[in-house]
Amino acid sequence: EPEVTQTPSHQVTQMGQEVILRCVPISNHLYFYWYRQILGQKVEFLVSFYNNEISEKSEIFDDQFSVERPDGSNFTLKIRSTKLEDSAMYFCASSEGHTDSNQPQHFGDGTRLSIL
Amino acid sequence: AQTVTQSQPEMSVQEAETVTLSCTYDTSESDYYLFWYKQPPSRQMILVIRQEAYKQQNATENRFSVNFQKAAKSFSLKISDSQLGDAAMYFCAYRSPRDDKIIFGKGTRLHILP
Repeated sequence: EPEVTQTPSHQVTQMGQEVILRCVPISNHLYFYWYRQILGQKVEFLVSFYNNEISEKSEIFDDQFSVERPDGSNFTLKIRSTKLEDSAMYFCASSEGHTDSNQPQHFGDGTRLSIL
Repeated sequence: AQTVTQSQPEMSVQEAETVTLSCTYDTSESDYYLFWYKQPPSRQMILVIRQEAYKQQNATENRFSVNFQKAAKSFSLKISDSQLGDAAMYFCAYRSPRDDKIIFGKGTRLHILP
């Protein structure tokens, strides 16, 4: 069964540094998402992306964050200047359909981001 | 704003027994989608089962079934004949047809006792 894949599985970064988290969505999916889960807390929505632009974002997704689909397969989340509170598990997801459809979002394994 | 509440942080069940995980949600919408996701120790979140709010019939997927009580805003997951591979964190989740985002509960960690 096709899967969403994320790399790396664990990223350790110094505070203030830029980090890029990478995702390869399922190939025929058109909608892409990032979520994060701070340790012990809920999984929270960050952003959704369709047709090369952000379609929805949460208040967490401030100017420090950006997303990009640099080629036909990758979907990246960049954090420009990391803060300690950015330490979390980051999940990428993709779906075939959009809001008014029942197409489920398929999640990757996640990238654990640790900010030192 | 919609919220999802899972009141059981952890549960244990004997192998081959049945267990029910609770979930309640709050919304003012009449149409929406509900999901249960499973996150085993390998970390990938897998969709277990989904329910459209306009459907009265409870969804079932093999050993997994839900008890959807729309008036009570309750969406519990029943796992029958529990297996060791069912051990995982289970997340209840909500999505509005107007939004992209899924709203998750805090999760219930399920332990299967051999």
